This record gives sequence, structure tokens and C-alpha cells, in this order.
Amino acid sequence: DQQVKQNSPSLSVQEGRISILNCDYTNSMFDYFLWYKKYPAEGPTFLISISSIKDKNEDGRFTVFLNKSAKHLSLHIVPSQPGDSAVYFCAARRRLSGANNLFFGTGTRLTVIP
Amino acid sequence: DARVTQTPRHKVTEMGQEVTMRCQPILGHNTVFWYRQTMMQGLELLAYFRNRAPLDDSGMPKDRFSAEMPDATLATLKIQPSEPRDSAVYFCASGADTDTQYFGPGTRLTVL
Repeated sequence: DQQVKQNSPSLSVQEGRISILNCDYTNSMFDYFLWYKKYPAEGPTFLISISSIKDKNEDGRFTVFLNKSAKHLSLHIVPSQPGDSAVYFCAARRRLSGANNLFFGTGTRLTVIP
Repeated sequence: DARVTQTPRHKVTEMGQEVTMRCQPILGHNTVFWYRQTMMQGLELLAYFRNRAPLDDSGMPKDRFSAEMPDATLATLKIQPSEPRDSAVYFCASGADTDTQYFGPGTRLTVL
């Protein structure tokens, strides 16, 4: 039972344009959301996060938006660069429960075309 | 530059053999996680430890998988006996009881 879903396995974007990666979740107990980026032959690395008390968090070219009513979050990358080409995983946590474990989606492979 | 290390990076074995994967968490981190990456499920949590105590191993097939932390600098994931369906990349991650987990480079396991 996949509680975090990334329905687009892949996305291609031209360099300089906006990349939008989407993520849906089913568990209303999730209160903290993260995006991880993964290059081939490496482990995932933390990119950006958002608490459920916010609807937007921005860090440089990366912005995460959270729509709690729709149980949907998205990651915007502007402008996209070839170095952003990687697999992006969405993850969620039940922070208030005290549990540290994250629930991950299946990932979206982003390709930024020069 | 503190990192999570995992050994071996690659392992090819035959069905029925025992496989042991090792992880050295970042010094000072008190939570350790084992994940398996598959195409269909993405990153699945297998087990996690806090202060070396197992807190959740519900994602792990109990009959063949076992996870331990003999000490604060070593976590192990063992599969016995291994099966072809266990072929995947296994990641270890550690954290300091915060939201961010730091992942190792993974062990790519192939069971023939």
C-alpha cells in the first residue's frame, strides 16, 4: 500500500525552463514532507522540506508547495539546469508521532536538456 | 566530511547463500535505517533503530532477513537464505533524531 505516490516516472525539461515534480499522499497523519535527489550509483541526498503548517518553502532555485486539502505537494525548480538531472523522491513523515521513519514515493527521473 | 559508509558496494551471489551487508553510520547519529530500492516500490523501509534498539522492522521479511546493531558504529543486514527476488539496491541511512536522513551509497545485490 503506497502511501506516497509519484505518478510520473519521468520528466524532460529544457534548460532554463521550470521543472515541476508532483507527489500525492494518502495518509492525513503525515505532517512533514521532504524531497530527496538521487544521482546514479549514489544514495539519495536531502534537498528541501516543508512542515504541514506551511504551504510554501523556498530555497534558491527550489520551491516546495503543499496543498493539504488535496494531499498534494510539488517541487518547482527554476531555472532548470543540466546538473539537476537526477531521480527525485518525495517523502513524508508523521513527525508528531515521534517516529523517525520516512515513507517514500517511487521517484521521478528528471532530465534537463541543454 | 562525515558520511555513511556501506560495504560491499556490489554483491553477486547464488540463491540460497547468506548475504551480509554492513553500514557505518555518521558518528553521533542515533538513528539508523535500512531501505531497499526497487522499481515498483521505490524506497521501502526495512528496519530502523534508535540508540541501537530496533524500533520498527515491520517492512522486513522475518523468515529470512535480520538486522542488528552490534555497536554504535556498525549496523548489519543479513539475508539467509537469499532468493532472486531479493535482488535490489539496499541503502543504509543515519540521522540525529531529526527529520533529515543521510544515506550511504548503497549495496547493489544480485541473487542468481
